Amino acid sequence: SQQGEEDPQALSIQEGENATMNCSYKTSINNLQWYRQNSGRGLVHLILIRSNEREKHSGRLRVTLDTSKKSSSLLITASRAADTASYFCATDGPYKYIFGTGTRLKVLA
Amino acid sequence: NAGVTQTPKFQVLKTGQSMTLQCAQDMNHEYMSWYRQDPGMGLRLIHYSVGAGITDQGEVPNGYNVSRSTTEDFPLRLLSAAPSQTSVYFCASSLVGGTMPQHFGDGTRLSIL
Repeated sequence: SQQGEEDPQALSIQEGENATMNCSYKTSINNLQWYRQNSGRGLVHLILIRSNEREKHSGRLRVTLDTSKKSSSLLITASRAADTASYFCATDGPYKYIFGTGTRLKVLA
Repeated sequence: NAGVTQTPKFQVLKTGQSMTLQCAQDMNHEYMSWYRQDPGMGLRLIHYSVGAGITDQGEVPNGYNVSRSTTEDFPLRLLSAAPSQTSVYFCASSLVGGTMPQHFGDGTRLSIL
């Protein structure tokens, strides 16, 4: 069964706008990761946030984590056409990673 | 170039045939894993390994076999292919399982007729 559920399933925005996607999970975690997948390619790691962190930044990416609500959000600021991809959250388990079903982001030029 | 290499990139099989999907990494990662990705299902873990000689089952292991004789290689075997195994298969590795970012190969697109 899937641990993470991303919301929305699909998102379409104009270039320059911000994109926000959310991930909810079911059990307690040690860390949560976000990955990007371009069409026809493997996943690429974006950012890892540990359970004792509330917010983390990497370039145009901002990730928040609320362990009390078992949820995380990924914000992409000033989006570009190259940000068009699917985005997945992944939570840790004993020697395992558990992925959500992903958000498909389309950035229109 | 350092990374995870998967071969082949595409494969078509007939029901009942067997084959091996190859995965190799050159980053000296202890942890390696296999996933399948189906539309609307995200990635589901098939098998994983925390080091040479050690493998374990993931969420959907039935119909698949793995072995880990070296740190670098982690092949996935389909014993008797079934149409339900039509999917995109990804291999990934990380320094330590569960706590570190994973590096993914570009996938093998497998069709079972």
